[in-house]
Amino acid sequence: DTAVSQTPKYLVTQMGNDKSIKCEQNLGHDTMYWYKQDSKKFLKIMFSYNNKELIINETVPNRFSPKSPDKAHLNLHINSLELGDSAVYFCASSQVRGRDTEAFFGQGTRLTVV
Amino acid sequence: LAKTTQPISMDSYEGQEVNITCSHNNIATNDYITWYQQFPSQGPRFIIQGYKTKVTNEVASLFIPADRKSSTLSLPRVSLSDTAVYYCLALGSTGANNLFFGTGTRLTVIP
Repeated sequence: DTAVSQTPKYLVTQMGNDKSIKCEQNLGHDTMYWYKQDSKKFLKIMFSYNNKELIINETVPNRFSPKSPDKAHLNLHINSLELGDSAVYFCASSQVRGRDTEAFFGQGTRLTVV
Repeated sequence: LAKTTQPISMDSYEGQEVNITCSHNNIATNDYITWYQQFPSQGPRFIIQGYKTKVTNEVASLFIPADRKSSTLSLPRVSLSDTAVYYCLALGSTGANNLFFGTGTRLTVIP
């Protein structure tokens, strides 16, 4: 069983479109994240959700909105896509257990805006 | 959040031991040092975590001196499959909410 799964794996779309990336974790974790990794390979945190509450929101455009229907899902909606949104987006989840804090990442979604 | 600094890249021959040092001068008392590994086209993967002295698992060892201002990830006898980017993070006791990644160290293992 895949611990953190994201769909789709590849997404090619035109500028101005609205798209969503789905993420599901079956680990029972209470915190989920979205990261963006651009062409320079910098891995930047975008959002963090803990028990359905947004607790970190780095300075991302409000065209990006995370939606968490339940603790196991954190979907990423992107409106009015721009060329600069092209990147690999990773979903992750973690559970704080005292000293043992380990995050599990999905395989990534490569978004290409043309 | 404790900022971490590590070399941008390193090269090593197969079979050698590789040591990647991370500097975290302003690490907080509650911070744990955590290392992740990222292969091309994959998400980061947890390798090892420690607070002080030495931690060892089946993948790597982590050495942390008494002042905790730096740490060293040690990979024994690397192989070509260890070519990846290695990230050092200093996570607080609420570490789940502080998963900020730096630039990482790109390790290239040469035949």
